[in-house]
Amino acid sequence: GDSVTQMEGPVTLSEEAFLTINCTYTATGYPSLFWYVQYPGEGLQLLLKATKADDKGSNKGFEATYRKETTSFHLEKGSVQVSDSAVYFCALPNQAGTALIFGKGTTLSVSS
Amino acid sequence: GEEVAQTPKHLVRGEGQKAKLYCAPIKGHSYVFWYQQVLKNEFKFLISFQNENVFDETGMPKERFSAKCLPNSPCSLEIQATKLEDSAVYFCASSQSHPQHVVAYEQYFGPGTRLTVT
Repeated sequence: GDSVTQMEGPVTLSEEAFLTINCTYTATGYPSLFWYVQYPGEGLQLLLKATKADDKGSNKGFEATYRKETTSFHLEKGSVQVSDSAVYFCALPNQAGTALIFGKGTTLSVSS
Repeated sequence: GEEVAQTPKHLVRGEGQKAKLYCAPIKGHSYVFWYQQVLKNEFKFLISFQNENVFDETGMPKERFSAKCLPNSPCSLEIQATKLEDSAVYFCASSQSHPQHVVAYEQYFGPGTRLTVT
C-alpha cells in the first residue's frame, strides 16, 4: 500500500545552518505531496505542497520538489532559525483519497 | 469559523469510563477527518466524513469507538470503556470538497484534545 518514509531525527542544528529532511514515498500514480509542521503543543499546519511531478512547493523559506524519478519530496531550508524548531511531517493521500498518510515525523531543534 | 475548533483541550478518564470529544470544522468545509497521535509522533487515521456521511471508517476500532457529524452540530468522537492505550492526542481536520480527489485539498487541523486514561 501507499506509504511515506522520512528520517526520524532528531535533527539538531545551529541557527543559519542548512536543513534537509528526507522523505520518500510509495504510491500508485502521482498523488499530491505535503509537508506539515507541528510546533510544541499545537496542531498540524500545512507548510507546503506539490500537486504534480517536478512541482516545487515553497513557504517561509522552506522548499520541496516533487521528484517522481526518485519518489522523493525532501524538505530544505537554506538558513534555519530558532523559531523553526518543531516536528515536520511528510504526507500523501491514501490510495482511496479518503485520508492522509503521515511519515513518523522529524524533530528539528535549532539553537542560537 | 475560520479555524477548526476542538473541545475539550484536555480530558482525563479512568479506565472503563466514556470519553467524548468534539470538533467544529471550518465553515464551508465538507470533509472532516479524525486522527490519533500517540507517543513518538505517529499519526493514525481513524475516520472521515463527507458532510454527515461516513466517508472512510477503516481506521476505527469499532468495538469501542464511534463518531458522528450531524447537521448544525459539532462532530463528535466517542470512546466507550476507555483503555490505557487510548491515551493520545486526538486531532480533527477539515477540508474543502473536491470532485475527484478530496485529499488533494489541504487539511486544516484543530489544536487537538489530549486524552489521558488513568
